[in-house]
Amino acid sequence: TQLLEQSPQFLSIQEGENLTVYCNSSSVFSSLQWYRQEPGEGPVLLVTVVTGGEVKKLKRLTFQFGDARKDSSLHITAAQPGDTGLYLCAGAPDDNYGQNFVFGPGTRLSVLP
Amino acid sequence: KAGVTQTPRYLIKTRGQQVTLSCSPISGHRSVSWYQQTPGQGLQFLFEYFSETQRNKGNFPGRFSGRQFSNSRSEMNVSTLELGDSALYLCASSLVRDLSYEQYFGPGTRLTVT
Repeated sequence: TQLLEQSPQFLSIQEGENLTVYCNSSSVFSSLQWYRQEPGEGPVLLVTVVTGGEVKKLKRLTFQFGDARKDSSLHITAAQPGDTGLYLCAGAPDDNYGQNFVFGPGTRLSVLP
Repeated sequence: KAGVTQTPRYLIKTRGQQVTLSCSPISGHRSVSWYQQTPGQGLQFLFEYFSETQRNKGNFPGRFSGRQFSNSRSEMNVSTLELGDSALYLCASSLVRDLSYEQYFGPGTRLTVT
C-alpha cells in the first residue's frame, strides 16, 4: 500500500509570512497533485507535477517535485487570509492504469489577518 | 462550463438502510471517481469508472458499489449502512492532460448514519 505523509498537520501564521508544507512517501509516483479544500466544498486542483525535479509556480505558490518522485513541497510567499484551507497532496502510483490517486492526510493552514 | 454536481448534498439514514448517491460529471469527461472523506482516515479512493466500466477499485467492502451510465453520469450505492459510513462522499470527473489526470471535484454529499 502506497502512503503519503504530510507535514505539518496544522499551521497557523500571520498574514505576510512565508511557509512551506511537505508531502513525503517511500513510494514512487508517476505524478503528484496539490489541492486546496475549503469547508463545505470539494478539493480544488492547484497543480500537477510529473517530472522529477520539476518546479512550478502559480502566483505566490511554488511547487516542487522531488528528483526521485517520492516527495513534494508547496511554498507560499506572503500568505494571505484567502490562502486558508486544507492543503492535500495526491499521488498517482507509478504502475497504475487509469487513476487511483492516493491522498495524504492534509495540512490545515490558517492565515490570520 | 458547469462543474461537477452531486445530489443530494445532505442525507441522514439509519443503520441497516441503503443509500444511492448521484454524480454528474463535467460535460465531455468520461472518467468519474468516488472518494470517501472522514476526519480520521482522510480522503480514500472508492472506485473509478470510465466508459461505463469500473477501471480501478479501492479497498472498501462489497457493500460499496457503483455504476456509470452512457452519458457518464455515475451513481454509488452503499447497502446495509453502518455508523462508520458517515462521511463526505466526493465525486471527481477527470480528463487527461500532460500525461496525468486532472480531477475536478464536486461539493460532495454529506451522509450521516444514525
